[in-house]
This record gives sequence, structure tokens and C-alpha cells, in this order.
Amino acid sequence: SQKIEQNSEALNIQEGKTATLTCNYTNYSPAYLQWYRQDPGRGPVFLLLIRENEKEKRKERLKVTFDTTLKQSLFHITASQPADSATYLCALATNTDKLIFGTGTRLQVFP
Amino acid sequence: DAGVIQSPRHEVTEMGQEVTLRCKPISGHNSLFWYRQTMMRGLELLIYFNNNVPIDDSGMPEDRFSAKMPNASFSTLKIQPSEPRDSAVYFCASSSSGGPLTYEQYFGPGTRLTVT
Repeated sequence: SQKIEQNSEALNIQEGKTATLTCNYTNYSPAYLQWYRQDPGRGPVFLLLIRENEKEKRKERLKVTFDTTLKQSLFHITASQPADSATYLCALATNTDKLIFGTGTRLQVFP
Repeated sequence: DAGVIQSPRHEVTEMGQEVTLRCKPISGHNSLFWYRQTMMRGLELLIYFNNNVPIDDSGMPEDRFSAKMPNASFSTLKIQPSEPRDSAVYFCASSSSGGPLTYEQYFGPGTRLTVT
């Protein structure tokens, strides 16, 4: 069956370190992948999009990689800050034009 | 721009009642999506429209759910009759593409629905 897996356990890291979040998928052939941030009580906010023919994408302190052989995307936040604490969702676009979301990983950055 | 607007923000209703959720997408966006989010199932796509036409409604749980988009600036999601298992946060999102293939989606603040 088709699955998108993100770490269900919270990731706790110290301020200034690099946070790395993982998104693994099975039985999909995504055209591209997106990452969103969601704060409690709010809707998801788009962060980055990476296409299947791109290996890496950067935006300020954010970096996303996409390995279609491993069926995995990694999301990095460098020099993390307490304000980066949130839930991060990955989402795949399939050939059916749907955006399928993972369940998200909660990141907690402590001072 | 005010972003995607949803109303009401909170809705508490009794089982069996009709519930209508409303959404105003960002002006100029031509795709609109309805999602449901729960702790157990995460964020699920219910239905999406392109140029006011429903493209894919395979995520709609059952016939009790219906959605309309009478014009480019308004959409409704209706549940009739509502059941306790419909309790969730319902999000509306819009984008400026012909579907989710190209562009990011902008989400509204959500409607928290509680069915007792």
C-alpha cells in the first residue's frame, strides 16, 4: 500500500544546531515534493518545493534534498532557533494530481 | 490580501444536524482544496476544484458530505447529517495553478468542528 512516513516522535534539539527531518515514501512516484510548517491552531504554511529531477533546494536556513532512489526527502534547518519550533509536514504530488500529506514531525528547539 | 478566509472558526453541533463550512479563496487563485485534519489520520484531501469545477472528490468520506463552488470567490462544504466521527479541523486551501502539480497551496485558519 502507499505510505508516507515521517517521524511521529518529536525531535528535540538545542538552539544553534541543525535539525534534520525525514520523509520516506513507498509505492509512490511523485512528480515533486513540498514541505510545510504548521503551528498549533493554524493552517499549514508552504516552505519549499522540490521536483523529482532536483537533488537539492535551499532557502535561507532551510535545505531540502530529494532522493527518488531511496524514496526519501530530508529537510534541514541550520542554526535552529526556538521560533523554528512547530510541526513540519511533507507532501507528495502524485500522477493523480492529489497532494498527499505525511502526518508530520514536531520539532522543539530549546535555548 | 487577507489570505484564505474560512467561517465559522469553531462549530459545535449535535449529531444529526446539518453543518455548512464556508471558504473564500485568495483572489486570482483558480484551484481550491478542502482538507480534514485529525490526530489519527493527519491531513486528508477531501475534494478539489479547478476553475470552479470539481476535479477529484474521491476523498469525500461518504454521501453525507457535499461541496460546491458556485463562483471563483466562494465554496461550501456541507455535512448532512453530521456524526461524532466527523469531529475534526477542516481546512480550505487555494493555489494559482491548474492543480497541485506546480504551485504551493495557501491554507486558511481552519474550522474546528465538534459533533456531540
